[in-house]
Amino acid sequence: NAGVMQNPRHLVRRRGQEARLRCSPMKGHSHVYWYRQLPEEGLKFMVYLQKENIIDESGMPKERFSAEFPKEGPSILRIQQVVRGDSAAYFCASSPSGRMTGELFFGEGSRLTVL
Amino acid sequence: GNSVTQMEGPVTLSEEAFLTINCTYTATGYPSLFWYVQYPGEGLQLLLKATKADDKGSNKGFEATYRKETTSFHLEKGSVQVSDSAVYFCALRSGQAGTALIFGKGTTLSVSS
Repeated sequence: NAGVMQNPRHLVRRRGQEARLRCSPMKGHSHVYWYRQLPEEGLKFMVYLQKENIIDESGMPKERFSAEFPKEGPSILRIQQVVRGDSAAYFCASSPSGRMTGELFFGEGSRLTVL
Repeated sequence: GNSVTQMEGPVTLSEEAFLTINCTYTATGYPSLFWYVQYPGEGLQLLLKATKADDKGSNKGFEATYRKETTSFHLEKGSVQVSDSAVYFCALRSGQAGTALIFGKGTTLSVSS
């Protein structure tokens, strides 16, 4: 059973370009979570999705950021018009359910560098 | 709102030393509590968890006890190894449906031989 797969692992963009980060959850998992990790700041929750639905986007910046988890295919975190402050590691996690006692399984992250 | 506070790092220890990393939380209701570990260049892995008061989670020699009265979930290990060098994150998930894990800022542990 493959783990959570994220790609690309490393992405370089110039200011103003778009970044698309993909996450394929573990088989059988229908809940996906995106986190951003900045140096010295730990992991910040961004968005929680279940197939075709956004459950909680309270951590998502209001502008330029969007996320989706379609019925078929991976979850995508999209950042439009990137700025240098978007440089960070973005981690995706998945779980089979939304139970509070359940473990989240993390991917290895996508590291975005904005020049 | 819900939050997690961890002791600031880095923590630097010699091999076989005793480890404590403090974690306290603020949450409504009765959350589940977790410790995750992140090795360099990797994603996070669950280390241990506790889902109700007085539960003790344990794994790989690490332990943490869910203390409701002090709202704490301190991580301990009796004898650390060089291979334990990593970043450790305390996290909680509240009892409300549809909520994600909330993490502390992480504590970097460096163990030397």
